[in-house]
Amino acid sequence: GAVVSQHPSWVICKSGTSVKIECRSLDFQATTMFWYRQFPKQSLMLMATSNEGSKATYEQGVEKDKFLINHASLTLSTLTVTSAHPEDSSFYICSAAGSGNSDTQYFGPGTRLTVL
Amino acid sequence: GQSLEQPSEVTAVEGAIVQINCTYQTSGFYGLSWYQQHDGGAPTFLSYNALDGLEETGRFSSFLSRSDSYGYLLLQELQMKDSASYFCAGGGKLIFGQGTELSVKP
Repeated sequence: GAVVSQHPSWVICKSGTSVKIECRSLDFQATTMFWYRQFPKQSLMLMATSNEGSKATYEQGVEKDKFLINHASLTLSTLTVTSAHPEDSSFYICSAAGSGNSDTQYFGPGTRLTVL
Repeated sequence: GQSLEQPSEVTAVEGAIVQINCTYQTSGFYGLSWYQQHDGGAPTFLSYNALDGLEETGRFSSFLSRSDSYGYLLLQELQMKDSASYFCAGGGKLIFGQGTELSVKP
């Protein structure tokens, strides 16, 4: 299957700093990438959908100025958590879809963010 | 709104068969996907049903009935390593159910 990587796999930062998470599709071109957040023992919550070369579409309740998404190429999307606070501590997972509908997605390994 | 409902937890013994049900209400439905997630890991794609009926992949099978807005994941010959959370997902934007935590006992 298709391979999606994420970097870093985990990060610890101080409150008020910004953290950038990269998501790469390694062996296919991802026209659409998705960013999810998952709290312990809970489901994945879709944060935003990004298409290469256009602005991301954010889900209701997700602050676009706090979670900056850039999909600069067909193989790279980045999520920047700006001015992070402890409540932003979570597991952030990206996924990529090649084309068509979003029902078959390939997930990255996730990034565990801890904000102190 | 969009929602996918599945049981929160299921327990079974090694070698048994278990069925995890999923009922859904989503817009722009294309099909139903199933994902497996082990503790601390990312979801792994298991199967996708675009059409009604049964899809079989080794020990795992998945079923979809569009008329009933219902599907299930069937796991056969359970192994300890199958202990994980299983999510159904679907919709125009992939929406996940709350997940079913499967515990396989010796």
